[in-house]
Amino acid sequence: QVQLVQSGAEVKKPGASVKVSCKVSGYTLTELSMHWVRQAPGKGLEWMGGFDPEDGETIYAQKFQGRVTMTEDTSTDTAYMELSSLRSEDTAVYYCAAGSWFDPWGQGTLVTVSS
Amino acid sequence: DIQMTQSPSSLSASVGDRVTITCRASQGISNYLAWYQQKPGKVPKLLIYAASTLQSGVPSRFSGSGSGTDFTLTISSLQPEDVATYYCQKYNSAPATFGPGTKVDIK
Repeated sequence: QVQLVQSGAEVKKPGASVKVSCKVSGYTLTELSMHWVRQAPGKGLEWMGGFDPEDGETIYAQKFQGRVTMTEDTSTDTAYMELSSLRSEDTAVYYCAAGSWFDPWGQGTLVTVSS
Repeated sequence: DIQMTQSPSSLSASVGDRVTITCRASQGISNYLAWYQQKPGKVPKLLIYAASTLQSGVPSRFSGSGSGTDFTLTISSLQPEDVATYYCQKYNSAPATFGPGTKVDIK
């Protein structure tokens, strides 16, 4: 059974970067298509990007192009999402999720951007 | 990009009622449609994939239908534990867009 465990909450200042990790257990990362989704307080789910197995590459939502980088360390089965040039509107819970349809999900990582 | 819409945005129904939520894609997506349930403060949970396939462990009162551009999620008999926001999502190709959500509560 696949489990995803994310890193802990972060508080960042505007303009900084944040890197969230997602550790896979039960499967190897190479067997999964990993995606990242965020949810601002009181708002809906927003897909940020993920691995497209048909193209064999990571695709980013246009909104985050140039600001987000998703990487994988297959030696530790850990996926990472780094978001740069943070602003207050990036305050959200960030989730990793695996598969074509998203199951399972990580527990979420709250990123707070505040001066 | 394909846009996803849902209706209604919220609903209130009585325990035991049949509840239907509609999701519409701006272009055809075949059956590449998933439904998620998110309870307050919790992680989203997959209910249905491939438009109508019930995820293992999900109660049979949940069902999905549709293909192309129009999809529905039906709760055959609403239970108190079904209070949540429900999201549809397309996954045929990037971006894997979510609908805006439908909030369901008990009357």
